[in-house]
Order: sequence, then C-alpha cells, then structure tokens
Amino acid sequence: DAKTTQPTSMDCAEGRAANLPCNHSTISGNEYVYWYRQIHSQGPQYIIHGLKNNETNEMASLIITEDRKSSTLILPHATLRDTAVYYCIVISNTGFQKLVFGTGTRLLVSP
Amino acid sequence: NAGVMQNPRHLVRRRGQEARLRCSPMKGHSHVYWYRQLPEEGLKFMVYLQKENIIDESGMPKERFSAEFPKEGPSILRIQQVVRGDSAAYFCASSPEGSPRYGYTFGSGTRLTVV
Repeated sequence: DAKTTQPTSMDCAEGRAANLPCNHSTISGNEYVYWYRQIHSQGPQYIIHGLKNNETNEMASLIITEDRKSSTLILPHATLRDTAVYYCIVISNTGFQKLVFGTGTRLLVSP
Repeated sequence: NAGVMQNPRHLVRRRGQEARLRCSPMKGHSHVYWYRQLPEEGLKFMVYLQKENIIDESGMPKERFSAEFPKEGPSILRIQQVVRGDSAAYFCASSPEGSPRYGYTFGSGTRLTVV
C-alpha cells in the first residue's frame, strides 16, 4: 500500500473551512484515497473516499490532484465537534484490505 | 438501524484472568474486523472474520488471543491470561462485503484495563 504523509497537527477557527492535506506520491493506479477520523475516545469514522475525481458528501469534500500524488480533505464549515484525528489512507478498493492508520493530523477547532 | 455494537464499553481484569470482548456487526454486514489501539499509539489490525471463518489473522499475537464469529451471535475476541500490556482500546468494524468499497463502520470500542 502507498505511504501517506500528513501534518501532525492543524488549527482551525469555528465556522471556517478546514483544509487537511495528504501526500501520497507512490499511489498506484488502482488505489483509492480514503479518509477516516477518530474523535477522542470513539471508534474511527469513515468520511469519504475517491479515485481521481473530486468527491463531495454531506460531511466533506475531497480534492485529488490530477497526478493523484496528493489530496485535500475539506470540511467547509468546521464546528467544535470536528476536533479529531484525521487519517488519510491509500488502499485498493477490491478484496480485503487492512486499514493502516498512521499518525494522522490532529485537528483542533477553536471558538 | 443500530450501528456496530460493542460490549462491554469498559472492562477491568486482573492479571491472569480472561477477557471476552463482544461485537455485533451492523445489520446486513457479515464481515467483521478487530483493531487494537494501545495507549498513545495508532490503530493496528488484528483479525478479519466472516461468519464461521477466520480470513486473515496476521495481526493477532501468537499466544493467548483468539477470535470467532459464529453462525449465530456476536463476534468474540478472547484474551486468555491477560497481562498489563494487553491494556488497550479494542475496536470492531464491520462491512457488507470483504472490501473497503463502502467504508468500514466501527463500533465505540471496549477499553480493557488490566490491573
């Protein structure tokens, strides 16, 4: 599986957009970019995933660069409840895949 | 539609006792995964099960740990003769098929403390 690199921590003001970057320069053609988050003391929560097109759902947007070597998760209007550790994971979409959780980005949303 | 249910939420065991952690997957999900999160560390894959079958147990410690997912009832992660190093949060996830295509749904975890 391709390795990912994320900043250790980020801050965001409540109500502003949070843009979380992820580098995955060794991603291969059949690998997707998945984002999960873990709010303190809870289980990880699936957010969004994509292959090469930008994706949007009720939680977030995912922007993947044309060369697919990096991506950005966007929380359009961050709230205090979005404070969590965000994990960017690159894996194939077929067959069993173990999720490899790195250290992620610790996002702190402040009033 | 209830999510992935894990119980107990908190479990305290003395060294040498057995710990049994239960996981009921989401309705319609027949694939279950167990992950462990040691204090101040990331989540690590332990085992992947389908009904009555262990598919991948490459992350399970070689001794004292076992898992099952019977035809009826929840999946069970069993730790025999617990030691202090087993203290961790254990998370179960489920999916409708054996791939991440629809995302894995995680439970709230069981926090095991060994005293």
